[in-house]
Amino acid sequence: DQQVKQNSPSLSVQEGRISILNCDYTNSMFDYFLWYKKYPAEGPTFLISISSIKDKNEDGRFTVFLNKSAKHLSLHIVPSQPGDSAVYFCAASEYGNKLVFGAGTILRVKS
Amino acid sequence: DTAVSQTPKYLVTQMGNDKSIKCEQNLGHDTMYWYKQDSKKFLKIMFSYNNKELIINETVPNRFSPKSPDKAHLNLHINSLELGDSAVYFCASSQRDRPLKAFFGQGTRLTVV
Repeated sequence: DQQVKQNSPSLSVQEGRISILNCDYTNSMFDYFLWYKKYPAEGPTFLISISSIKDKNEDGRFTVFLNKSAKHLSLHIVPSQPGDSAVYFCAASEYGNKLVFGAGTILRVKS
Repeated sequence: DTAVSQTPKYLVTQMGNDKSIKCEQNLGHDTMYWYKQDSKKFLKIMFSYNNKELIINETVPNRFSPKSPDKAHLNLHINSLELGDSAVYFCASSQRDRPLKAFFGQGTRLTVV
């Protein structure tokens, strides 16, 4: 019962273009969503988050969009840079309790 | 000056052995966690401690026993290791009022042979 799903195992994007990473969830009680970034041999690092009362949150090159009716969120990175190449995990939480993670999407930004 | 550090980074051991993974954080956080990343790459929470008190215990076999001697440390002891325990284990910490923005250690890759 995977409550958070990232259906694209990998994504390849040209440097300077937009990267769009997608995430779907099934639990309508989730009220907070996060994106984590992970480099090889390192732990995940927090990237950006969004509360369920919002539909967009922006931080520099990173923007997260939330569509509650579709139970879908996405992370936009623009412009994409080679240093953005990493695994991106979507995560969700219900009332500040444990984080439920997706399986991750490997992003490769080609220069 | 690593924020969350765990040792060892790699651990190869035989079935049936007992092993421990240590975790320390210097962020002054009061909540610590253990996560397991399995072969399907999902990160799943195992335990959560707040001020040395267990607050989350997912359906983890009781061969896994976390121990928190103080707020800055949360160690994971595993008895009678099985092949299925092979995974990457991540320690993390957060502040109680911001439980979701956890800081993760680099991970321990456990291989049971």
